[in-house]
Amino acid sequence: QKEVEQDPGPLSVPEGAIVSLNCTYSNSAFQYFMWYRQYSRKGPELLMYTYSSGNKEDGRFTAQVDKSSKYISLFIRDSQPSDSATYLCAMKRNFNKFYFGSGTKLNVKP
Amino acid sequence: DTGVSQDPRHKITKRGQNVTFRCDPISEHNRLYWYRQTLGQGPEFLTYFQNEAQLEKSRLLSDRFSAERPKGSFSTLEIQRTEQGDSAMYLCASSPYTSRTGTYNEQFFGPGTRLTVL
Repeated sequence: QKEVEQDPGPLSVPEGAIVSLNCTYSNSAFQYFMWYRQYSRKGPELLMYTYSSGNKEDGRFTAQVDKSSKYISLFIRDSQPSDSATYLCAMKRNFNKFYFGSGTKLNVKP
Repeated sequence: DTGVSQDPRHKITKRGQNVTFRCDPISEHNRLYWYRQTLGQGPEFLTYFQNEAQLEKSRLLSDRFSAERPKGSFSTLEIQRTEQGDSAMYLCASSPYTSRTGTYNEQFFGPGTRLTVL
């Protein structure tokens, strides 16, 4: 079993829709949770990171962490065609390495 | 541009040849990571450095792979006797120390080096 599971998609939505992206994990020691966006043939770009449980909002993006369910989410409001990319979740324990999901490919149609 | 840079961006080689990639992290970032990413997968951890010390290596990193960060600045990743299964994107990331949390939580990735082994 992988430590981090993520639905690969693809997820196709119309412009303006609310997008929900999710990851589950198995290691309860994870404390820090990140979301990255990766355009085709580019390196990942950090969108947000959160510590422990709760919500964090940044513009059109909201990250949620539910440690009791070992489940994290990224919501994108008012999605735009420029949001079309692969979204990667990542997580880590306090001092250790990062563990990535396999990524969800998102396509926002004009 | 003060981001993470990687060189070369693309490398095509024949099976059995040695290749070396370079990563220049963001200055003052203590930690430097190497990852491998294949199509449809997330980045897979290979190794990381804190300054010049290599703190952890993945079990996936066979004896053919070696990484260095001699002066705690740039890093190199060498693959000896390349195999077709080594074809992938090799990503480098650097990470600053965050005093508020006392740890390293933000990673800044370079554009990657795409390796094709024929």
